[in-house]
Amino acid sequence: EVQLVESGGVVVQPGGSLRLSCAASGFTFDDYAMHWVRQAPGKGLEWVSLIRRDVTTTYYADSVKGRFTISRDNSKNSLYLQMNSLRSEDTALYYCGKGRDGSDWGQGTLVTVSS
Amino acid sequence: DIVMTQTPLSSPVTLGQPASISCRSSQSLVHSDGNTYLSWLQQRPGQPPRLLFYKISNRFSGVPDRFSGSGAGTDFTLKISRVEAEDVGVYYCMQTTHFPGTFGQGTKLEIK
Repeated sequence: EVQLVESGGVVVQPGGSLRLSCAASGFTFDDYAMHWVRQAPGKGLEWVSLIRRDVTTTYYADSVKGRFTISRDNSKNSLYLQMNSLRSEDTALYYCGKGRDGSDWGQGTLVTVSS
Repeated sequence: DIVMTQTPLSSPVTLGQPASISCRSSQSLVHSDGNTYLSWLQQRPGQPPRLLFYKISNRFSGVPDRFSGSGAGTDFTLKISRVEAEDVGVYYCMQTTHFPGTFGQGTKLEIK
């Protein structure tokens, strides 16, 4: 059974930094690209970032480019999202997702950016 | 960036009746590898997203056959042949042919 468990969400002040993690199990992690998507309270899904299997190829939404960095450690079956220069509009539930098609998703971790 | 436009944004449906959601992209979603990376996801209240279809019409594991996905190029459709109570939620199309990936605004399916 595929499991994706996000962690690291907290309340952080504007301008602060945070690293989210996603622990994957139940599949061969390094066979798949991985996503981060987010959902602001009461809003729709927003695609954030993707990292390919090769670890080096990454893509970002314009809204986070230059501030967020996606990475993965295939030896630890883990996905990460380093979030810098956080803004109030980054407040959201952050989900990690498996595969380019988005076949499986975690339960999410909540990031709140507030003073 | 590719803009994904869903219609309608809200769909009140009677139980047992059909429902249809349209998703249009601002550019063709046909990838140079020949695939079209258009997925449909369902989000029930308080739940994470759940994949229904990938590459337009490939039904994901566990998805009832009353759901179907179709389309090509820039126009895609999700249909439910007979709506059941458990289908209530928000439906999203997502494209990952071109990066950054993008979602449609979401269509809220509710029971009349």
